[in-house]
Amino acid sequence: KAGVTQTPRYLIKTRGQQVTLSCSPISGHRSVSWYQQTPGQGLQFLFEYFSETQRNKGNFPGRFSGRQFSNSRSEMNVSTLELGDSALYLCASSLGHPSDEQFFGPGTRLTVL
Amino acid sequence: AQTVTQSQPEMSVQEAETVTLSCTYDTSENNYYLFWYKQPPSRQMILVIRQEAYKQQNATENRFSVNFQKAAKSFSLKISDSQLGDTAMYFCAFMKGNYGGATNKLIFGTGTLLAVQP
Repeated sequence: KAGVTQTPRYLIKTRGQQVTLSCSPISGHRSVSWYQQTPGQGLQFLFEYFSETQRNKGNFPGRFSGRQFSNSRSEMNVSTLELGDSALYLCASSLGHPSDEQFFGPGTRLTVL
Repeated sequence: AQTVTQSQPEMSVQEAETVTLSCTYDTSENNYYLFWYKQPPSRQMILVIRQEAYKQQNATENRFSVNFQKAAKSFSLKISDSQLGDTAMYFCAFMKGNYGGATNKLIFGTGTLLAVQP
């Protein structure tokens, strides 16, 4: 069974631009969660989608948004990029219940110049 | 709000020896899950072990075991017979177990960087 895939793996943008990251979950998984990982703030929850609905949202500004498609693939978008948005963005997929294992993707490394 | 604290930023252990990583958490929930995740250098995060709060028995997975003290809100990870491949950042994580409106929000600690020395 294929694992969680994230594209692109690396991305360089400049301040003010916007970016879209993609996450393809494991086949059959309906939940996709997004996390931001930085040296200063650690791993922080962005949001979770389940069956195309946002089920939970972390404490991030409205510049961070996401969506999930009917095939469970998810995208997250960051508009008006800031230097502080430079991070490793991880997505994780699961069947949907807290007791179900979450499988992480390799991440997208975003650098904002 | 829930918090997870890992007080050991870095640890080192000799190959074949045993090491224990500490984790404490704070929550008013009674139903929750605790996890240890491993993130090797430049590699994907993988689940090492998980514990359901309602289970008194400590979880074990081969060389990995936990010491879950619910009253003390402590959740330590013991790695036995350490191997070079165990070198990684280890994160302790918490998740609420809301059966009525389940969400998969993991709250992570700051991590412990474990180096296994040959």
